[in-house]
Amino acid sequence: GAVVSQHPSWVICKSGTSVKIECRSLDFQATTMFWYRQFPKQSLMLMATSNEGSKATYEQGVEKDKFLINHASLTLSTLTVTSAHPEDSSFYICSARVTGGPYNEQFFGPGTRLTVL
Amino acid sequence: AQSVSQHNHHVILSEAASLELGCNYSYGGTVNLFWYVQYPGQHLQLLLKYFSGDPLVKGIKGFEAEFIKSKFSFNLRKPSVQWSDTAEYFCAVNAGYGGATNKLIFGTGTLLAVQP
Repeated sequence: GAVVSQHPSWVICKSGTSVKIECRSLDFQATTMFWYRQFPKQSLMLMATSNEGSKATYEQGVEKDKFLINHASLTLSTLTVTSAHPEDSSFYICSARVTGGPYNEQFFGPGTRLTVL
Repeated sequence: AQSVSQHNHHVILSEAASLELGCNYSYGGTVNLFWYVQYPGQHLQLLLKYFSGDPLVKGIKGFEAEFIKSKFSFNLRKPSVQWSDTAEYFCAVNAGYGGATNKLIFGTGTLLAVQP
């Protein structure tokens, strides 16, 4: 149980294009999902907290107009990287908290590697 | 601001050696502490967690961690590592309760390589 999937697992795009990454909770409902970014040999940095039916909460320094988050259902959150540039190349990981479950337990997706040429 | 530091960035051990990975956090209030493992090519998995109670926490695959409040530490241990323990290990802290404090703060990770 508590499986989180991400799609795609790897995406390559041209500079200036937009890329959408999906995060799904497969066997549970997730009111809250989180988006992280991981640079090579570095830790996971929280980008934003995604809440179903409401606006995402972004961490300081994260451009909300560049990283659009939509959490339209209890099992799906999407991250859209708009007008991507090479510096946006990174590993993006989502996690989900089980609705009604321990508030501080998150289940992680496998990540999406974004390469912007 | 809360922070988590992991002192060992890269550890190389032989099979059957004992393991201890350091983790220190900076936050003066109540914390929940986690260790996650990321095997090559796989997603993050929870090894163990501390919420309250017995400061010695046992997790999966023979791992354990001890919460020492006075030292702000939550070190991970395993008495005898196996080649299959080769992975990256992340310590994380969640401070406070509910709402925006759901968020996890991660350490920089420790890459463990176990030689057969």
